[in-house]
Amino acid sequence: AQSVSQHNHHVILSEAASLELGCNYSYGGTVNLFWYVQYPGQHLQLLLKYFSGDPLVKGIKGFEAEFIKSKFSFNLRKPSVQWSDTAEYFCAVILKAAGNKLTFGGGTRVLVKP
Amino acid sequence: DVKVTQSSRYLVKRTGEKVFLECVQDMDHENMFWYRQDPGLGLRLIYFSYDVKMKEKGDIPEGYSVSREKKERFSLILESASTNQTSMYLCASREQNEKLFFGSGTQLSVL
Repeated sequence: AQSVSQHNHHVILSEAASLELGCNYSYGGTVNLFWYVQYPGQHLQLLLKYFSGDPLVKGIKGFEAEFIKSKFSFNLRKPSVQWSDTAEYFCAVILKAAGNKLTFGGGTRVLVKP
Repeated sequence: DVKVTQSSRYLVKRTGEKVFLECVQDMDHENMFWYRQDPGLGLRLIYFSYDVKMKEKGDIPEGYSVSREKKERFSLILESASTNQTSMYLCASREQNEKLFFGSGTQLSVL
């Protein structure tokens, strides 16, 4: 069965620190990859997505992610976080061969200290 | 902008009750999904549907069923609610190769 792993459940860092959240998926084949964010009390929002082309994807709010096919990874990065980046972040994967099933990772809670 | 509406924000039910969670989207999307969100487990797919009257099991379908009689509406049914079904339930819809649009969620408590 397909699975998506996010290595860190909780991350605490100070403003202006750099952030990197890991995401690995467990299968080969063509994939579509997503990062979603959920701010406290709000809906899930799409940060960025990768379907094809340049493996370095830029999203909203200064986030980017890099797809490394050989490592089955899609790590999320932001060079300098702000207090407002406090949220839960979810990686999600669609395996094209499995149709439209979107599988989420377990999430990473990020707390940015002011 | 796409709107995905879940009929209830909070629900409290008793063990053994039949529970209906309703979801409506207004963008004529073919694909609709039901997830539950639990701390530390992320979002887990219960069922999804890629067309009217079509449904597919997700990762945790046990104890749930779904109904999609009209394209815009996708219902999640708990035939006999149990305490381990206490969770936040999220409905979503999407068109092919597009992002997922989520509803605001239904926090279900089963006592």
